[in-house]
Amino acid sequence: AQSVTQLGSHVSVSEGALVLLRCNYSSSVPPYLFWYVQYPNQGLQLLLKYTSAATLVKGINGFEAEFKKSETSFHLTKPSAHMSDAAEYFCAVSLTGNQFYFGTGTSLTVIP
Amino acid sequence: EAGVAQSPRYKIIEKRQSVAFWCNPISGHATLYWYQQILGQGPKLLIQFQNNGVVDDSQLPKDRFSAERLKGVDSTLKIQPAKLEDSAVYLCASSLGAGESYNEQFFGPGTRLTVL
Repeated sequence: AQSVTQLGSHVSVSEGALVLLRCNYSSSVPPYLFWYVQYPNQGLQLLLKYTSAATLVKGINGFEAEFKKSETSFHLTKPSAHMSDAAEYFCAVSLTGNQFYFGTGTSLTVIP
Repeated sequence: EAGVAQSPRYKIIEKRQSVAFWCNPISGHATLYWYQQILGQGPKLLIQFQNNGVVDDSQLPKDRFSAERLKGVDSTLKIQPAKLEDSAVYLCASSLGAGESYNEQFFGPGTRLTVL
C-alpha cells in the first residue's frame, strides 16, 4: 500500500532561515511524488513533482526537493524563508500517476 | 485561464439532511477528482472520473455518498443522509489526463461543510 509520512505537524522558522519539511514515503516501487501548498481558505497548489527524471526537483517560489530512494524520502527545502511562505504543506504519493495519497500536512510558521 | 470552480463555498446542515456540491473543472480537463479534507488531515480521495467514467471510488462511502459527472464536464457530489463525521472541506480538482503534465492537479477553493 502507498502512504506518506510527514514528520512534524508544525514547523517554525525565522525569516531568512532554511526551510526543511520532511516527507517519507512507503512504496514497493519508485512512485510519483508531489508537494502541494495550501493557503488559508484556498485549494491546494502544486509546488513541484518528481516523476523519475532528475532526483533534484525545482519548483515554484524557490522551493526544491530531492528524491532519495535509499532513504525513501522526498524532503522539501527552501534556502531562505519569506513571510509569504507561511502555509500548510502536503506531500503526496502516487504509483500510477493517477490515484494520490496525501500526508497529514505540515503547518509552516515564519517568524519575523 | 479560469480555475476550478466550486459552489457553495460554505454549507451548514443538520444531521440526516441531504447536501450537494457542484464542481466545474478547467476547460478541457478530462480527469476530475473529489477529495474530503477533515480538519487537521490531508485530503482523502473519494472518487476520480476520467471523462464521465469512474476510475476509482474505492474510498467513497457508497451507502450515503454519490457522485456523477454527466457529459464529462461538471460534477456533483451528494451526501444523503449526512452524519456529524462528514463535517469537512470537500475539494474538487481536475487534470488534463493526457500529455506530459497529465497528472498535474488543479484544485478548487473547496466547500466547507458543517453538520450539526
